[in-house]
Amino acid sequence: NAGVTQTPKFQVLKTGQSMTLQCAQDMNHNSMYWYRQDPGMGLRLIYYSASEGTTDKGEVPNGYNVSRLNKREFSLRLESAAPSQTSVYFCASKVPGDSNQPQHFGDGTRLSIL
Amino acid sequence: AQSVAQPEDQVNVAEGNPLTVKCTYSVSGNPYLFWYVQYPNRGLQFLLKYITGDNLVKGSYGFEAEFNKSQTSFHLKKPSALVSDSALYFCAVRDYGPDSNYQLIWGAGTKLIIKP
Repeated sequence: NAGVTQTPKFQVLKTGQSMTLQCAQDMNHNSMYWYRQDPGMGLRLIYYSASEGTTDKGEVPNGYNVSRLNKREFSLRLESAAPSQTSVYFCASKVPGDSNQPQHFGDGTRLSIL
Repeated sequence: AQSVAQPEDQVNVAEGNPLTVKCTYSVSGNPYLFWYVQYPNRGLQFLLKYITGDNLVKGSYGFEAEFNKSQTSFHLKKPSALVSDSALYFCAVRDYGPDSNYQLIWGAGTKLIIKP
């Protein structure tokens, strides 16, 4: 039972390079989320997708774009990476219809921008 | 605006002793509260939630949390700590939004260290 799978697990980029972080879930969840985690700041929502074909901005969307490719996959793209985007990125998904069910997380992508 | 505070960056407890990780919240209306745990190099795992009902909520791995409306707190507790409980713990509150796609507001996290 894979749950939420994120690739790659680690990545080092140079400033200005672009990259796409991949996320896939096999739990038939409608809602998917992208967070970044920085020391002492908890998790901050970048973008989310309520269902296939829809995406919305979260708290910190600047410098990022997302694509909800299908129900399973939700990707995060950095068009021109900046050192401030060095972080750990988490993808999460949630059971549809029940507001009180928890979000399920992947193991994260550790991204360093030099 | 909804907010969550975890006032302790780190909590140190001896193995076998009871542990408490503190969380306070600020919401308009009834709070929906969650605790998650994060082990090194892993994603967050759901521990427990409070939606309504009994103020003492039981969750995974022997953890429980006490909802206190008058003190706007939702502290995580365990009667006897294990070394394997050492991890990063996050408290979160549900933000407003459609039921099918709520968002979570997260605390900054508390590092729990259990010493043998």
